Amino acid sequence: DAGITQSPRHKVTETGTPVTLRCHQTENHRYMYWYRQDPGHGLRLIHYSYGVKDTDKGEVSDGYSVSRSKTEDFLLTLESATSSQTSVYFCAISEGDRNPSYGYTFGSGTRLTVV
Amino acid sequence: AQTVTQSQPEMSVQEAETVTLSCTYDTSESNYYLFWYKQPPSRQMILVIRQEAYKQQNATENRFSVNFQKAAKSFSLKISDSQLGDTAMYFCAFMKPLSGYALNFGKGTSLLVTP
Repeated sequence: DAGITQSPRHKVTETGTPVTLRCHQTENHRYMYWYRQDPGHGLRLIHYSYGVKDTDKGEVSDGYSVSRSKTEDFLLTLESATSSQTSVYFCAISEGDRNPSYGYTFGSGTRLTVV
Repeated sequence: AQTVTQSQPEMSVQEAETVTLSCTYDTSESNYYLFWYKQPPSRQMILVIRQEAYKQQNATENRFSVNFQKAAKSFSLKISDSQLGDTAMYFCAFMKPLSGYALNFGKGTSLLVTP
């Protein structure tokens, strides 16, 4: 979908190294989210943001941090990657309280492998 | 936290037939939103249909319709005239307006449409 991009699309990294995933939107949506997808678990919320410098934890936030210094960018950082963080990571955007029934627009996902 | 349960990990249907995917959820809230997302092998998350809890009328989008039973906390998806392109993973999701309009996903149902 135009309007939201994730980078990189694929990444292989070593255990113990820091990793940052980027989500960029051009829709000026207030809300941004990071999810991870694992077989048998569906999508689980890691962190979300409801504005510049406003973030909150999700269901599986341990080992992850986020930052949002501009409306359009939401970064997810794995401070010290572990094999359990091997997953597909999705970013999503939402208009939130303006149009909650519209749901989310998702990025194309980042496949991260920690070896 | 709201729990979303999809009791059918895998389903199969023949082309042109009708199939129903089940979803139940657990909440004490009265105002919320429900969604079905489709994830084809391309990995892209695609919104299929949405339902606002305060609307009693079941949502319909072309061949896709829902059976929303608020008292039973059930939100099933019916796909009519199934097509090969409907082969995908289907996720049911619940959104509560508070808590950042976060989506809580079920674990998914893998649907295979056969010729």
